[in-house]
Amino acid sequence: QKEVEQNSGPLSVPEGAIASLNCTYSDRGSQSFFWYRQYSGKSPELIMSIYSNGDKEDGRFTAQLNKASQYVSLLIRDSQPSDSATYLCAVNVHSGGGADGLTFGKGTHLIIQP
Amino acid sequence: ETGVTQTPRHLVMGMTNKKSLKCEQHLGHNAMYWYKQSAKKPLELMFVYNFKEQTENNSVPSRFSPECPNSSHLFLHLHTLQPEDSALYLCASSQEVAQSSSYEQYFGPGTRLTVT
Repeated sequence: QKEVEQNSGPLSVPEGAIASLNCTYSDRGSQSFFWYRQYSGKSPELIMSIYSNGDKEDGRFTAQLNKASQYVSLLIRDSQPSDSATYLCAVNVHSGGGADGLTFGKGTHLIIQP
Repeated sequence: ETGVTQTPRHLVMGMTNKKSLKCEQHLGHNAMYWYKQSAKKPLELMFVYNFKEQTENNSVPSRFSPECPNSSHLFLHLHTLQPEDSALYLCASSQEVAQSSSYEQYFGPGTRLTVT
C-alpha cells in the first residue's frame, strides 16, 4: 500500500525565516511529487511539482527530491504570515496506462509568527 | 468561469435521499478525479477518469456512483449515504500526456456534504 508520511505539526516559524517541510513516501516506483497548500476551509492549491532528483526553485519556494532516500521536502524562504496553512505532500505512480490518482500525506500545519 | 468549478458548495442530505455533485473543468484537460477529505484523515482518491473512461475505482462503496459524460464534466451520484460519509468532496483535473510523468492536478473548491 502506498503511504506518504508527514509530520502533522504545528510547525511554528518566525516571520522572515526559512520554513522546512518534509515528506517521506513508501513506494519506490513513485515518479511525480507535489506540494499543495491548503488554507482552512479551502481546497488544495498546487504550489510545486518535482520529478527528478535535486532542487527546483520557484520564487520563495524550493522543492527538493531524493529518490534514493524516498524523501521530498519544501523550503519556504522569507516566510510571511500569509504562508500559514496546511501543506500537503502528494505522490503518484505512473502506471503507463493513463492518468493516476495522487496519494496524499496528512499534511503539516505551518504557523508563521509575526 | 475559469479553472475547476463544483456545485453545490454545501449539501445537507438525509440517509434516504439521492443527490448528485457536479464538477466542470474549464482548463481543456482530459482527466478528472474525485477525492474525499474527512477530518483528521488524508485526502483519499475515489475515482479516476481518463478520456471519459473510468480507469480507477479505489474500493469505493457502491452508494457512490460516478459519471463522466465528456472530458469537461464529472458527476458523483449519491444514494443511501451514511453519516460517516460526511466530508469535503473534491474534484480535480489534469492533462495527461502519453509517456509523460507530469500529472499536475488542479482542484475545485469542493462540496461540503453533511449526511444526517
